[in-house]
Amino acid sequence: QVQLQESGPGLVKPSETLSLTCTVSGGSISSYYWSWIRQPPGKGLEWIGYIYNSGSTNYNPSLKSRVTISVDTSRNQFSLKLSSVTAADTAMYYCARLTTFLAFDIWGQGTMVTVSS
Amino acid sequence: DIVMTQSPDSLAVSLGERATINCKSSQSVLYSSNNKNCLAWYQQKPGQPPKLLIYWASTRESGVPDRFSGSGSGTDFTLTISSLQAEDVAVYYCQQYYSTPLTFGQGTRLEIK
Repeated sequence: QVQLQESGPGLVKPSETLSLTCTVSGGSISSYYWSWIRQPPGKGLEWIGYIYNSGSTNYNPSLKSRVTISVDTSRNQFSLKLSSVTAADTAMYYCARLTTFLAFDIWGQGTMVTVSS
Repeated sequence: DIVMTQSPDSLAVSLGERATINCKSSQSVLYSSNNKNCLAWYQQKPGQPPKLLIYWASTRESGVPDRFSGSGSGTDFTLTISSLQAEDVAVYYCQQYYSTPLTFGQGTRLEIK
């Protein structure tokens, strides 16, 4: 079955760029939407954005100016870059697959990212 | 943005009893093209990612026990657990996919009384 695994640095300095990768195994990255969601400690879920395998993207307006999501179909991976981070960006970051109607049906285990000097 | 508001924030229910969680959207999420409500429910246990339970407001995801059911239409929705089991202790979230940005409710924490 399809599995997702996030990877990337667990600690990022303020004002720098957070970079994460999600590796899709057990299936092709083609023909689906892929998304990033984050969850600050003890808080709720915030959708960051999604990408289709064609490269078309849709971002949350609250983060749009700082977010880039890209896909590498040859590696079955998609990635998140979030620039100019602050402590408010400290969160568990999840990658997830979206159904065609945009519910999240498969999730990675998440990776905790802390923004601190 | 469509704001999703859940009630209550926390809930304690005895084992074997019914648990009911409500979710209200700031505008209708009924999709006219298929007459379905763009509403999903997720379960998040401690230390785990969320798990999709229900979509289209009332369709159970494969493998989800039938004690979980969803109902509602338009702006008001309910997740019901008919007979609470110990393994149902979790935080439950609703999510609308009628429009972007995709948005979640704040979550409802379900505990055993």
